[in-house]
Amino acid sequence: EPEVTQTPSHQVTQMGQEVILRCVPISNHLYFYWYRQILGQKVEFLVSFYNNEISEKSEIFDDQFSVERPDGSNFTLKIRSTKLEDSAMYFCASSGALGKETQYFGPGTRLLVL
Amino acid sequence: AQRVTQPEKLLSVFKGAPVELKCNYSYSGSPELFWYVQYSRQRLQLLLRHISRESIKGFTADLNKGETSFHLKKPFAQEEDSAMYYCALSGSNQGGKLIFGQGTELSVKP
Repeated sequence: EPEVTQTPSHQVTQMGQEVILRCVPISNHLYFYWYRQILGQKVEFLVSFYNNEISEKSEIFDDQFSVERPDGSNFTLKIRSTKLEDSAMYFCASSGALGKETQYFGPGTRLLVL
Repeated sequence: AQRVTQPEKLLSVFKGAPVELKCNYSYSGSPELFWYVQYSRQRLQLLLRHISRESIKGFTADLNKGETSFHLKKPFAQEEDSAMYYCALSGSNQGGKLIFGQGTELSVKP
């Protein structure tokens, strides 16, 4: 069964550094999402992406964040200048259709900002 | 405000006992409700969704629009049901995003 994959599984970075989190969605899916979960808190929506542009973004997704689908398979989340509070588990998800369709999640990338 | 509330952080039951994980939501339109499960060291995976009205691994959930609830139930818990359970909501006008509850950790003791 096809799965969403994410790399790296863990990333440690210094405050102020740029990080890129990578995701390979399920191949025939059209809608892509990033979520994050700060330790002990709920899973929060960051951004959705369709047809090479952002469909919706949350208040968390400020100018420090960007997403890209550079080559038709990878879906990346970039944080330009990391802050301590960016430390979290970041989940990528994809779905075949919008809204009421099942989203399939990747295993997550645990980001630690020191 | 759009919100999903799971009042219990931890629910501990003995094997064979009935289980009910509570979920209440706040949404002004017609949402789609989901239950996702995360077993230890595994990814979030869909357990069930209200629109399909099926039973997965013995779990069922009924959408009660009057009480704005979508509680997850299983008549006889098994040890392998121990996991984190997340209730989530997606709205027709929300661009597909899922709004999650805090999650309930279910622990089934032998």
